[in-house]
Amino acid sequence: DGGITQSPKYLFRKEGQNVTLSCEQNLNHDAMYWYRQDPGQGLRLIYYSQIVNDFQKGDIAEGYSVSREKKESFPLTVTSAQKNPTAFYLCASSMAGSSYEQYFGPGTRLTVT
Amino acid sequence: KQEVTQIPAALSVPEGENLVLNCSFTDSAIYNLQWFRQDPGKGLTSLLLIQSSQREQTSGRLNASLDKSSGRSTLYIAASQPGDSATYLCAVKTGSEKLVFGKGTKLTVNP
Repeated sequence: DGGITQSPKYLFRKEGQNVTLSCEQNLNHDAMYWYRQDPGQGLRLIYYSQIVNDFQKGDIAEGYSVSREKKESFPLTVTSAQKNPTAFYLCASSMAGSSYEQYFGPGTRLTVT
Repeated sequence: KQEVTQIPAALSVPEGENLVLNCSFTDSAIYNLQWFRQDPGKGLTSLLLIQSSQREQTSGRLNASLDKSSGRSTLYIAASQPGDSATYLCAVKTGSEKLVFGKGTKLTVNP
């Protein structure tokens, strides 16, 4: 089955701890994305990567970090510097280029207390 | 800065009704527009992709139109069913591979 997997589905952390969210795709897509979704707000772009070993900040990158060491993997670390980390995090991927649609994973709900 | 608005925020209809969801965007310089469906607590499912050069796309009971010059798109759902109940999101692709999302329309189809 081709698709995007995110793990875990639910994640609980104490304030002050860093946490890494996993995103893997077997669609052979070049581009990968991380979004954050909060109640009553649209999805907001955190980071994106169009090629291995390269990534760009999105609209709300502060307090987050990413890596892209393999084409199929794009992990997101939520650091202790992120002021409001509790949210639903969605990973997406697409073929590179402006014409292609994005496909989304099932999401990870992070709760920080 | 591109902004995407979806009206209404919520819609409740009886089963069998045809309905239209609206999406507007402020900057007509887009590459494409994508409609998604999201069920509670789940990821997004892509429904339709309309390129900037296209006027509409159809998939089953769904038809999406795009009027780039006026900054509008509509998603038409024919013969609605309770299984269509979900939040529908539209997003436009701007430069640098970015998608800009609206806040969505929550649709409830009552049996």
